[in-house]
Order: sequence, then structure tokens, then C-alpha cells
Amino acid sequence: NAGVTQTPKFQVLKTGQSMTLQCAQDMNHNSMYWYRQDPGMGLRLIYYSASEGTTDKGEVPNGYNVSRLNKREFSLRLESAAPSQTSVYFCASSERHTGSITNTEAFFGQGTRLTVV
Amino acid sequence: EDQVTQSPEALRLQEGESSSLNCSYTVSGLRGLFWYRQDPGKGPEFLFTLYSAGEEKEKERLKATLTKKESFLHITAPKPEDSATYLCAVRRSADGLTFGKGTHLIIQP
Repeated sequence: NAGVTQTPKFQVLKTGQSMTLQCAQDMNHNSMYWYRQDPGMGLRLIYYSASEGTTDKGEVPNGYNVSRLNKREFSLRLESAAPSQTSVYFCASSERHTGSITNTEAFFGQGTRLTVV
Repeated sequence: EDQVTQSPEALRLQEGESSSLNCSYTVSGLRGLFWYRQDPGKGPEFLFTLYSAGEEKEKERLKATLTKKESFLHITAPKPEDSATYLCAVRRSADGLTFGKGTHLIIQP
């Protein structure tokens, strides 16, 4: 049982290059999320998918796109990388929040460390 | 707008010296307050969920409590392996968790 798996773990891009960060979960969760973590800023939500077939913007979506490929997989794409996108990216998954408030904690992957030069 | 403020930003303790970390929050319609532990180079690791004021949860040397405006993470007789960054987050709805900036805890032998 791997939980949340992210690939790649490390990546260096040149300004203007594109890339896709991959995320897969094996916990049968409905909801998936992409966060970025920067020193002094904490974890900030980029995009989320409350359920298969839906995606929505979070706090810092500019410069990113996402695809919920199926229930297991949620990818994050940088179309034209900029130095400001240098960060650590985390994917997470959880049960979908409904009227019941239980069991909605999010489980995180190990992160992708991205440097844009 | 949801806000989560953690204090102190950093805390250095001697092994065995108990203390508490604070998480103050402002959210309309709290649907859960979460504590995570994050080690360097790793993803956040889930510790606790608290749902209503007065609720408490314990795990080994950690105890989390919740009031209507804040949560505390109490660390009793800590060991060096408890050194990590502790993150607090709140959930209001389906749109993800809002995180504080964390408390960097160092336990010296």
C-alpha cells in the first residue's frame, strides 16, 4: 500500500520549458489536491479535484493546469516554467468532504523538488 | 478568508522539557482542524483531526486540544526524535485545507 506517489522527485527546468508532475493514489479517495511549499509561505493550494471529473482553482493557480485522469491520478502541468515556480510541490488525497465531517484528513506524497533556472 | 496562525515559529527544548504549540484560526464553519508533522525533505505526515471544541486526542507524547478559536499541541517529555516542523490546518469545505506556516521544533539531547 504505497499511499500517494509523486514523480519525479527532483527536476530542473529552464525558463520557458514545460513539464507535467504526476500523482497517483491507491487509497480509493475521491478528492485530490496540489500544493506548493515555499520558505516562509507554508503550504498553498494550487488546484484541487473534489471528485473524478471535476477540477477547481485554489489559492495560487496562475501558471498551472491540472488534469484528473481517473480516480487514481491527478497531474499538474507547467506550460511555460518561470523562476517564481521554483518550489516543492506536494500532491495529496482525501475522502470527499460531504455533509459528514469525518475522515477528511489529507494524505500527502513525498514531494517534487522543482528548480527553474 | 480562512486564516491559520501558528506560534511560536521556532522552539528549542531540552529533552524531557514539556511545552505547547499554538494554532489560532479564523474560519467560517469549521469542518475539521488537522495537525501534521513534517520532517526535512518529506511530505507532511498526518497526526490528528479535531472536529469540535473540547475535543482532545493523544498519541504517544503528543496531545491535541481544540477550542472555538485555537488548538494546542502539547508535547510531554519530548525526545530528540520528536524534532520536526508541526503544521496546523483547517478545513471549511471540499476545497482543500488551509495551512499555517508551521512551528519548527528542536529537541536537544
